Amino acid sequence: GESVGLHLPTLSVQEGDNSIINCAYSNSASDYFIWYKQESGKGPQFIIDIRSNMDKRQGQRVTVLLNKTVKHLSLQIAATQPGDSAVYFCAELNQGGKLIFGQGTELSVKP
Amino acid sequence: SAVISQKPSRDICQRGTSLTIQCQVDSQVTMMFWYRQQPGQSLTLIATANQGSEATYESGFVIDKFPISRPNLTFSTLTVSNMSPEDSSIYLCSAGGQRVLGYTFGSGTRLTVV
Repeated sequence: GESVGLHLPTLSVQEGDNSIINCAYSNSASDYFIWYKQESGKGPQFIIDIRSNMDKRQGQRVTVLLNKTVKHLSLQIAATQPGDSAVYFCAELNQGGKLIFGQGTELSVKP
Repeated sequence: SAVISQKPSRDICQRGTSLTIQCQVDSQVTMMFWYRQQPGQSLTLIATANQGSEATYESGFVIDKFPISRPNLTFSTLTVSNMSPEDSSIYLCSAGGQRVLGYTFGSGTRLTVV
């Protein structure tokens, strides 16, 4: 039979605008976090990471913010482009060295 | 960072049969992992592939259903055994263990069981 999957949260932005994607993580002891971008038919692609001793890290057009008090991560994409359309996942590294993924957000960029 | 080759990229299989997925990394890595991604969902960790010993499985996944091999530091296989339509999913291999480089993923195997 046909299975019905859960629908990912969707964020729709206009080309050129800034995007903010949010993520809540579960383990207060996690000390390393990664944001991934997954395009249709491809595996997750590393975007940026951050350690728990930092609250902000910047890359090219992307910034990750970490709030350990409320166990929250965000990914900011500046001047969003159509090529940024994808599903974005946050992931936390647990003490066993395993990467545990969050729910994911689908970003849609309107030209 | 490491480059991962995964094959097959996709397959359509009959229920009751088994499929073995291969994962080749272009450099020696400390840790290799297998994930499942069901349609429209996030990635769920199946197991950690340990070099030279039995894989470590996450809750809900068992060795009889998903036997894993890792004969060396660059190669691993995942077998999906006695398949049913519920096993239709994307299976992904990942390698990592060096925090500076992050964790890299293969392009995945899209499995459809009919």
